[in-house]
Amino acid sequence: QLVLTQSPSASASLGASVKLTCTLSSGHSSYAIAWHQQQPEKGPRYLMNLNSDGSHSKGDGVPDRFTGSSSGAERYLTISSLQSEDEADYYCQTWGTGIQVFGSGTKVTVL
Amino acid sequence: EVQLVESGGGLVKPGGSLRLSCAASGFTFSRYSMNWVRQAPGKGLEWVSSISGTGSFFYYADSLKGRFTISRDNAKNSLYLQMNSLRAEDTAVYYCARGETSSGVDVIDYWGQGTLVTVSS
Repeated sequence: QLVLTQSPSASASLGASVKLTCTLSSGHSSYAIAWHQQQPEKGPRYLMNLNSDGSHSKGDGVPDRFTGSSSGAERYLTISSLQSEDEADYYCQTWGTGIQVFGSGTKVTVL
Repeated sequence: EVQLVESGGGLVKPGGSLRLSCAASGFTFSRYSMNWVRQAPGKGLEWVSSISGTGSFFYYADSLKGRFTISRDNAKNSLYLQMNSLRAEDTAVYYCARGETSSGVDVIDYWGQGTLVTVSS
């Protein structure tokens, strides 16, 4: 079964970095994912598409502070130089034959 | 500029029906798959349904059990979701979202702002 696992929360200080993890279920380690950001009271925003080799392509206007990387079944989103507007929920998404899957989301708090 | 604007949400009684619409602009609509994703109050994102660019292929979350129907009108640049036999647990903000290719299920690369559906007596 295709499942994405995310930690519920993460925090870091203003100006610091934070690394979020999205883990693909067993047997799906080659899958690409996408990262999406949802700021409070807003709709989601696409950040990037991230492949198993770590290559990624970002959405329109996504700052360079957002980078993606991969290792095995894990997909990462690193936010550098944290700003107050980065306080949001971050969801990973993947897809299989006839199915879309979302992770449960990670809430990022900027201290 | 890609724009996705949902409409049709509102308050409906349990067992009732509702049809959501999504007006798309800023891209060649027929070349992209489209999706409906919902978010219950205080919860995460949940995939509902996807449809290919031509409308020939469509997919649903198992949990819907045939109550919802996705469709599109490429001449009108519009996506629809017909929701029947609505339940309290269908209460959510429903988002229209574009897929990166025409295939049916893939990266979601644009989102609308959502329309709220409330199922309550």
